[in-house]
Amino acid sequence: RKEVEQDPGPFNVPEGATVAFNCTYSNSASQSFFWYRQDCRKEPKLLMSVYSSGNEDGRFTAQLNRASQYISLLIRDSKLSDSATYLCALSSGGSYIPTFGRGTSLIVHP
Amino acid sequence: GAVVSQHPSRVICKSGTSVKIECRSLDFQATTMFWYRQFPKQSLMLMATSNEGSKATYEQGVEKDKFLINHASLTLSTLTVTSAHPEDSSFYICSASSGGSGNIQYFGAGTRLSVL
Repeated sequence: RKEVEQDPGPFNVPEGATVAFNCTYSNSASQSFFWYRQDCRKEPKLLMSVYSSGNEDGRFTAQLNRASQYISLLIRDSKLSDSATYLCALSSGGSYIPTFGRGTSLIVHP
Repeated sequence: GAVVSQHPSRVICKSGTSVKIECRSLDFQATTMFWYRQFPKQSLMLMATSNEGSKATYEQGVEKDKFLINHASLTLSTLTVTSAHPEDSSFYICSASSGGSGNIQYFGAGTRLSVL
């Protein structure tokens, strides 16, 4: 099993839709979790950290399920500008070197 | 958030030449910076961890003599791709952690290298 797995997609959704991505991980010692957004030919930018209790930032909700070893990202009321690749990242223990998933591509169409 | 500056953003060079990429943390000190490579539609692959004042730590399979890393100060790390070949063409991205809570990585804008 790969250390971090994501469905590459693409997820093709209409404006206003709700879409969710999952990211599974194999290392149960993972402690820090993040979602990054990467636009085409650009660097990744931090979207949000993922906390154990789950957290929300506007239309975006991130959750962590330690028992099943996955994190999720929910986007409500999708906008055209949400079209991008969403990368999950995690690190474990005292290491602050994150491991990235390959990303999930989201395309929001009119 | 913290700012990481990377340049050049785009390099086109002939096979056999060396290319130097700079990564600077502009508003914080980064004792450690990271160098990634990303091929189209692939994930970020960590190449090496750059430590200020000491040798870089390379990931398995990354040739340290080909990808020279120098971290001369707390705000600057450089990656030199020596004797570049077409297969080295890729998107190279550096990142640094501000050292705050969690392990948030702040990325440079990346360098797109095309070797002819």
